Amino acid sequence: AQTVTQSQPEMSVQEAETVTLSCTYDTSESDYYLFWYKQPPSRQMILVIRQEAYKQQNATENRFSVNFQKAAKSFSLKISDSQLGDAAMYFCAYRGYYGGATNKLIFGTGTLLAVQP
Amino acid sequence: DAGVIQSPRHEVTEMGQEVTLRCKPISGHNSLFWYRQTMMRGLELLIYFNNNVPIDDSGMPEDRFSAKMPNASFSTLKIQPSEPRDSAVYFCASTSTDGLGGYTFGSGTRLTVV
Repeated sequence: AQTVTQSQPEMSVQEAETVTLSCTYDTSESDYYLFWYKQPPSRQMILVIRQEAYKQQNATENRFSVNFQKAAKSFSLKISDSQLGDAAMYFCAYRGYYGGATNKLIFGTGTLLAVQP
Repeated sequence: DAGVIQSPRHEVTEMGQEVTLRCKPISGHNSLFWYRQTMMRGLELLIYFNNNVPIDDSGMPEDRFSAKMPNASFSTLKIQPSEPRDSAVYFCASTSTDGLGGYTFGSGTRLTVV
């Protein structure tokens, strides 16, 4: 079975600085998708960024980028120029490549990010 | 699109009562998921449907929990009888079968069983 591990329960960053959140996963599949979700205090789950495992290029969305290391099964999220609104719980998630039975998202335990003004 | 709509947003009930949570997925999405979030266990997948058919219900904790999807635009998660340990936030999410469009989550229902 696939598992997702986030080893940092809490992180803190100064406003305007850069922070990296770690995620590792375990799978025997060669094709899959990885995601980072943000959950602010409003509890809404918001998709931050997505990476297809067959793509070597790391995904980027404005201030958010990932470092995807397939061989190491590592998928870290870098937040540049941190803003107060980035304060939230961040979840790493895995999904199999094919639809149907592999369509479910498997989540890590989350990293609570605090942004200091 | 109004997104995934869940109701109620908050529910407080007494132990032993029946609780029904509701979800309306995004139109055109044919996969629907029910997750439970607690501090102790994080985000757990309870059940998911593909084209209104339950595909995997291995996460449903026990027989007190049941879920239905009578049509493509509506799903329910029922707990009968409810217990204090069922207190959690319950999320519904939907996506297209290939998932490439991403998963859209509802705002969740915070259930408190006293």
